[in-house]
Amino acid sequence: DIQMTQSPSSLSASVGDTVTITCRASQRIRNYLNWFQQKPGGAPNLLIYFASTLQGEVPSRFIGSGSGTDFTLTINGLQPEDFATYYCQQSYSSPPWTFGQGTKVEVK
Amino acid sequence: QVQLVESGGGVIQPGRSLTLSCTASGFTLNHYGMHWVRQAPGKGLESVAHIYYDGSNEFYTNSVRGRFNISRDNDKNTLYLHMSSLRVEDTAVYYCARDRIPGGSYQAAFWGQGTLVTVSS
Repeated sequence: DIQMTQSPSSLSASVGDTVTITCRASQRIRNYLNWFQQKPGGAPNLLIYFASTLQGEVPSRFIGSGSGTDFTLTINGLQPEDFATYYCQQSYSSPPWTFGQGTKVEVK
Repeated sequence: QVQLVESGGGVIQPGRSLTLSCTASGFTLNHYGMHWVRQAPGKGLESVAHIYYDGSNEFYTNSVRGRFNISRDNDKNTLYLHMSSLRVEDTAVYYCARDRIPGGSYQAAFWGQGTLVTVSS
């Protein structure tokens, strides 16, 4: 099975900061990498797919990059509504697809 | 508007069976691949099962294979997860989710709000 490792597991930031979350796959997954945002008590929300494509009306301050085994999610100019937990997920292998363990973005 | 509503959760004893339902609206279920994803209390996300848009293939995570079954009733536009031989470690919020585009995609883009299953004696 493909393992996904996110870092850090949590971070503290202020409104307006730029934050970066990394995700590493245990084997090459091309660009089959999704990013989700989850707020407390809510369902996950797809932000980015194919490593860098924004889903729907996701704001452009969310930027995904990477290919192969190493990926990043960058949030430029953190907004109050961005404090949440973020998960990466690979969709390269046969489903069900594996998630990273999550990164909690907290208020500094 | 795409909507997914899960139901059927509750408290159940270990070893018993339970069936979750996910009623879809705003789209035709048999045009899309569908997923069940769970989240244990305070933990991360775990993909549990997936069914192709045409029902031709089903996939399960190792820990539930042989115990869980994903199915769909296209006439009722409803997805199911039949869970048997339940274990304490199956306790979680169970979400159903729809593929991003018809015919199959590599993303679960639309999610329900989840239903809580608690396995406890």
